[in-house]
Amino acid sequence: EAAVTQSPRNKVTVTGGNVTLSCRQTNSHNYMYWYRQDTGHGLRLIHYSYGAGNLQIGDVPDGYKATRTTQEDFFLLLELASPSQTSLYFCASSGGTGGPQNTLYFGAGTRLSVL
Amino acid sequence: TQTVSQSDAHVTVFEGDSVELRCNYSYGGSIYLSWYIQHHGRGLQFLLKYYSGNPVVQGVNGFEAEFSKSDSSFHLRKASVHWSDSAVYFCAVSSTGGADRLTFGKGTQLIIQP
Repeated sequence: EAAVTQSPRNKVTVTGGNVTLSCRQTNSHNYMYWYRQDTGHGLRLIHYSYGAGNLQIGDVPDGYKATRTTQEDFFLLLELASPSQTSLYFCASSGGTGGPQNTLYFGAGTRLSVL
Repeated sequence: TQTVSQSDAHVTVFEGDSVELRCNYSYGGSIYLSWYIQHHGRGLQFLLKYYSGNPVVQGVNGFEAEFSKSDSSFHLRKASVHWSDSAVYFCAVSSTGGADRLTFGKGTQLIIQP
C-alpha cells in the first residue's frame, strides 16, 4: 500500500505568518503534488515536482512556494499567509505520468486556518 | 482545455439501492478518466480509471464506470450500496494521461440512508 504522510494535520496561523506544510512519501515515486481543496472548487493543483530539486507550477500557484529536497520529501511554503489561503491541503504522489503510473496516492490532508 | 462536470452535488439513496453518479467531460482528443473516493476527514483514494478498450471498467468494492464517447460521459455505478459507501466521489480527467494535468470535478456527496 502506497504511503503518503502529511504534517501537521492541523495548523492555525495569523495573517502575514510563515507556514511550512510537510509531505513524505515512501512509495519510491518520482512525482509529488500539492493540492488545495475548497468547497465549490474541488481540488486545485498548486505545485508539483518530477524529482528532487525539480519544481513545476500548477494552476493556482500565487502566494505559494514549494521545494522538493529529496525523492521522499516535498514542502509547501506560505511566506506571508493570507485568509484566502485558509483551506484543506493535500499532498499526493504518483509513479509516473502515463498509463498505470498516473494513479495518485493522497495523504490525509492538512487543515490550515489563517486568522 | 479539458473540463469535467459533476452535475449532482448530493445524491441520497437507501442502503441496498443501486446508484449512479454522473460525470461529463469536454475535450476533443484522447482522454484518461478516473474516479476517486474521499471518506470524511481522509484523503482521496483511487477507485478506477479508463483510457481505452472495454468501455466498462471495474473498480474496487463493486464499483464500475462506463465510458461513452458519444455522451462525453464516465458515470460511476454500484448495484447495491452499503453504508460504508457514504463519501464524496470525484471524477477526474486528463488529456495527456499525466497526473500532472489532472482536472478534478467538484465532487458528489453520496448519502446512504439506513
